[in-house]
Amino acid sequence: RKEVEQDPGPFNVPEGATVAFNCTYSNSASQSFFWYRQDCRKEPKLLMSVYSSGNEDGRFTAQLNRASQYISLLIRDSKLSDSATYLCVVNPGYALNFGKGTSLLVTP
Amino acid sequence: GAVVSQHPSWVICKSGTSVKIECRSLDFQATTMFWYRQFPKQSLMLMATSNEGSKATYEQGVEKDKFLINHASLTLSTLTVTSAHPEDSSFYICSARPGLAETQYFGPGTRLLVL
Repeated sequence: RKEVEQDPGPFNVPEGATVAFNCTYSNSASQSFFWYRQDCRKEPKLLMSVYSSGNEDGRFTAQLNRASQYISLLIRDSKLSDSATYLCVVNPGYALNFGKGTSLLVTP
Repeated sequence: GAVVSQHPSWVICKSGTSVKIECRSLDFQATTMFWYRQFPKQSLMLMATSNEGSKATYEQGVEKDKFLINHASLTLSTLTVTSAHPEDSSFYICSARPGLAETQYFGPGTRLLVL
């Protein structure tokens, strides 16, 4: 079983739509969680950390359910510039484990 | 702040050549640096973790004699792919972590193509 699993997509949504990505992780001892964004042929960039209480950063909302070992990312009012691959990242305590990413394409 | 550079950004070489990739933290000291590899449509895979002044810790399945890592200073780590072969062609990305902070800052990556 992979340590971090994501639906690869692609998710094709129109501008202004709301889209949600999910991720599950296998290591119950994982301590911290992140969403990264990776544009084509570029390095990953931190989008936001994910906290148990849930957190919001503008149009982005992240949720963590430790009991279910499940992480989500909600993007509201999608912009064309949101098109990218979104990586779910879990830190089991020593390094970052990356999911394969979910591809998002926002269309006009 | 928190800028990490990598050099070169891309390299094409013949099979059997050794290739050195540099990773530098430009505005902070990186106690720990990480080297990842990403094949097309795959996730980033951690290859090794290097701490300044000590030997790198390699992930299972990564040959330490093939992928030589040197973390000689708090701002520089190098990855040398020795005797590169076409199957080593990939996107190599480093990241650096300042002190005990959890956040890692990624370099822009190096695309390696071995012919």
